Amino acid sequence: GAGVSQSPRYKVAKRGQDVALRCDPISGHVSLFWYQQALGQGPEFLTYFQNEAQLDKSGLPSDRFFAERPEGSVSTLKIQRTQQEDSAVYLCASSLGLPQPQHFGDGTRLSIL
Amino acid sequence: QQQVKQSPQSLIVQKGGISIINCAYENTAFDYFPWYQQFPGKGPALLIAIRPDVSEKKEGRFTISFNKSAKQFSLHIMDSQPGDSATYFCAATTTSGTYKYIFGTGTRLKVLA
Repeated sequence: GAGVSQSPRYKVAKRGQDVALRCDPISGHVSLFWYQQALGQGPEFLTYFQNEAQLDKSGLPSDRFFAERPEGSVSTLKIQRTQQEDSAVYLCASSLGLPQPQHFGDGTRLSIL
Repeated sequence: QQQVKQSPQSLIVQKGGISIINCAYENTAFDYFPWYQQFPGKGPALLIAIRPDVSEKKEGRFTISFNKSAKQFSLHIMDSQPGDSATYFCAATTTSGTYKYIFGTGTRLKVLA
């Protein structure tokens, strides 16, 4: 596709449930980033992949957060045993490589009840 | 030291006026400074970016001014239009590292018709 595609656009889950968020980067983009954006705030870095290798996961808030990109294309961000504080917009961005600019998807809005 | 401070939090400008948003950083290792525009329900879209080897960069109505010694940079939107009403984020990163973006807290711009 022309841009970064994220699905689902909206996800509502009960506290304690597991969720999986998907990101389809721009074709050919080797670098992929996940960010978390709380309401009224700027995005905050979660993790970074170069192809299938997860090179930086320093921003993941807890071991309940897990990301993968097994074939170097589509990526999934999984959150286990969700908590209310996990409610946010999760943004995915991709770039051709470093230091090319990052292009963002429209995000998944996650609401934990 | 990883923070990027952005001001003002909100801004109201008359149509045709100049909108000015300021950002400041501490980490001297930062060497790439993009600005993003975000509309409600959408992901951030790259507007313009600058590296510290230049003091100004202009693209259409958008200009970045960069002051390396003061560790400050700003976005100027000339001839502001109602369609420019959005939230603007500055960001900073080090291109020699992971290239994760550190975002400011955002400025909500409203341009009055």
